[in-house]
Amino acid sequence: GAGVSQSPSNKVTEKGKDVELRCDPISGHTALYWYRQSLGQGLEFLIYFQGNSAPDKSGLPSDRFSAERTGGSVSTLTIQRTQQEDSAVYLCASSLPQLGYEQYFGPGTRLTVT
Amino acid sequence: QQQVKQSPQSLIVQKGGISIINCAYENTAFDYFPWYQQFPGKGPALLIAIRPDVSEKKEGRFTISFNKSAKQFSLHIMDSQPGDSATYFCAANRGTYKYIFGTGTRLKVLA
Repeated sequence: GAGVSQSPSNKVTEKGKDVELRCDPISGHTALYWYRQSLGQGLEFLIYFQGNSAPDKSGLPSDRFSAERTGGSVSTLTIQRTQQEDSAVYLCASSLPQLGYEQYFGPGTRLTVT
Repeated sequence: QQQVKQSPQSLIVQKGGISIINCAYENTAFDYFPWYQQFPGKGPALLIAIRPDVSEKKEGRFTISFNKSAKQFSLHIMDSQPGDSATYFCAANRGTYKYIFGTGTRLKVLA
């Protein structure tokens, strides 16, 4: 079956512009995560969605970052007024919590803010 | 207390050699320790994982060694191959959705 897909694969934007990153999780996976991977750093947790529960937004670095998940499937991560420090690879993962939260990652979106 | 410290940052190994990557944690509540492998342009993929009730787990050429008293765990890649060249992340979890990831080790296996 299809894995987690993300689009676009690469995004170059000017400082101050807004960007939207999309994630399509594996069908049937109720849990969805967003991570940020900066050069030389580990994976930084951003946000977690599980079914109809309120998302855990504790990892979002500022109020310029927001995410939503429509219909329990597709998710969009939005970064407003992008800054150069937002440049990173944004990874999405999905999982079936009842199987121990093993996460399946998408290929990521490489965001470059110029 | 939530950190997982990973070393080395980068590693170069000859083909056929043993690659060893180490991780240390502080939070004794962690109860699941996976390793992820990431190739360039791809997302991380689960490689092997261990729970603290065992000291070692082996899957093919990959072995996790776990030292509960020292709060350390390591990944050993036996007979390393050029195709193993990737970035490896350790992680820790305590039965929830939140994983704490190490900073990654970039492994290069020379042909």
